[in-house]
Amino acid sequence: DQQVKQNSPSLSVQEGRISILNCDYTNSMFDYFLWYKKYPAEGPTFLISISSIKDKNEDGRFTVFLNKSAKHLSLHIVPSQPGDSAVYFCAASGTIGNTPLVFGKGTRLSVIA
Amino acid sequence: GAVVSQHPSRVICKSGTSVKIECRSLDFQATTMFWYRQFPKQSLMLMATSNEGSKATYEQGVEKDKFLINHASLTLSTLTVTSAHPEDSSFYICSARDPYAGEKLFFGSGTQLSVL
Repeated sequence: DQQVKQNSPSLSVQEGRISILNCDYTNSMFDYFLWYKKYPAEGPTFLISISSIKDKNEDGRFTVFLNKSAKHLSLHIVPSQPGDSAVYFCAASGTIGNTPLVFGKGTRLSVIA
Repeated sequence: GAVVSQHPSRVICKSGTSVKIECRSLDFQATTMFWYRQFPKQSLMLMATSNEGSKATYEQGVEKDKFLINHASLTLSTLTVTSAHPEDSSFYICSARDPYAGEKLFFGSGTQLSVL
């Protein structure tokens, strides 16, 4: 039972264009969502997050959109750069407090110069 | 941001031996640490929640006698893979939450375990 789903295992984007990574969730108790970036043989690094009370959060080139009614969130990267090439994981948390995150399977983004 | 240090980064061992992985929070105290495992092209799967001063909580399907977790201090948790077998070969990652940094989990750099 996968509670966080990233249905696109990979995505290729031209440098300078927009990258859109999608994530769906099934558990309506999730109220905090995060995106992590991961390079091979390294631990994930935090990118951006959003609370369920918001529908958008922006940080530089990265914007996360949340549609609670659709249980869907997306990460927009614009403009995309070759250094953005990595695996991106969507994660969700159910309650504020010391609970683990539930991760999607990840989407491998390749930004082509 | 907060720093989580994990050692070793890579270990190769013979089948039947035990391997210990250390996870340290360097600039904050972590009463709870989380251990994840990632198989190639798969998601990060939670193995167990490590609680300082008490027993770890294991996820369904994770053998507690095989994956021994010790969280003896507020800055150190260890995962010992006992009697390792080739199917235990995986990427193991620890994580912790800085109590002053909200919901973000900070991750160690991971340990690639290869059991021959």
